[in-house]
Formats: sequence, C-alpha cells, structure tokens
Amino acid sequence: QTVVTQEPSFSVSPGGTVTLTCGLSSGSVSAAYFPSWYQQTPGQAPRTLIYSTNARSSGVPDRFSGSILGNKAALTITGAQADDESDYYCVLYVGGGISVFGGGTKLTVL
Amino acid sequence: QLQLQESGPGLVKPSETLSLTCTVSGGSISSSSYYWGWIRQPPGKGLEWIGTIHYSGSTYYNPSLKSRVIISVDTSKNQFSLNLRSVTAADTAAYYCARLTGAWHFDYWGQGTLVTVSS
Repeated sequence: QTVVTQEPSFSVSPGGTVTLTCGLSSGSVSAAYFPSWYQQTPGQAPRTLIYSTNARSSGVPDRFSGSILGNKAALTITGAQADDESDYYCVLYVGGGISVFGGGTKLTVL
Repeated sequence: QLQLQESGPGLVKPSETLSLTCTVSGGSISSSSYYWGWIRQPPGKGLEWIGTIHYSGSTYYNPSLKSRVIISVDTSKNQFSLNLRSVTAADTAAYYCARLTGAWHFDYWGQGTLVTVSS
C-alpha cells in the first residue's frame, strides 16, 4: 500500500520562508501524481491551497507556492504570517481512482 | 457558490452501519467533470480518503476500507451517500464530503460531521 510521507512538524519565524515536503515511501513524486496541498486549522474543514503541483486555488495568497523538489512535492510559504500556523496535508493521486493523504505537517509560527 | 452539507446520526453503535448523506447545492452532482468523495479524520489525527463516486455510478474505494464501504449517488436529490458497515471505535471521526476535480484535487468541502461509535 502506498504511503505518503510528510514532516510531522515544522517551525518558522514570522516573515520567514519554510518548505514542507510530500514524498512516497517508495519512488519519486512527479507531476503525474497531481500533488495538491490543503491547510486545516482546528475544528475547521480543510482549505485547498495548491493543486496540480503548482496551481494556486482561488483566493490563496501568492506567498503560497507549490513545486517538485528532487523526488518530492513541496509547498513553500514565503513571508510566513501568524495565521499560517496550521496543519498542512498533501494528497497524491496514485492511479486507479485512488487518492492518498500524507500524515500532515503541523506548522508553528514563532 | 457550490455548497456541500453532511447529514446523519452523530452516534452509531459498534457493529452497526454508519450512514451519512452529502447534499450538494449551488451546482449539479450530475456534471461529468467532477467526482464526489468522502474523507474522514479521527480526533487528533490526520485525514484519510475513504472513497469517490462519479454521477454515472463509478466508484473507487480506499483499499483498507473497501470491504466495508459503499458509496452511492442519488442524482434526483443531488446527494451522495456513505455506508460503512461493522463499525468499531476506530471509525470514530469527523467525516467530510468534498468535490473532486478532473485534476484529482478536492476543491469544495463540507463543514464535516462528527460520528462517534459507542454503545
């Protein structure tokens, strides 16, 4: 079974830049996996940030960007703000109609 | 603006069947361009994809849940439903419905509903 890996936690200073990654337990992530990224704050439904590797969802600030870095998908936040403190999840499409969520990264801004 | 709303019992007994419905408003569930999915999140844990359905009836399920899950669609009511049988405490979670695009991402989400499995 496919396992999607994410850093369990990360911290960034206000105004700083942070890159979260999304990998596979076996193999490399490419655009063919249609990587997408979601932000979730406690008690709320997820919010779509990035899809198809680097397309920004409507209303998402341009300080959020997506890419492929090496063998992983990546979400970069440039100029982090206090309200970016959230859980971030990536999703990969692995074929056959199957989507797999990563375990999520808890981002602290301090 | 598309909206999705989950509904169903908040408490289910162990070994019984969890049944939830997602009502779609502001758009048609019969659009060929989209799929409709269920995702869940146990308290304090991460998100887990449960399954996806197309209005035509095509379904895709998480292999780890496939033996217990049925997702169905009712185009006349603009709704799709989740049935998860033989539940245990491990199925206690917030359940979300969402729209899945042809680019395989979830673009609209319901607010979620908490289902507790307990006797």
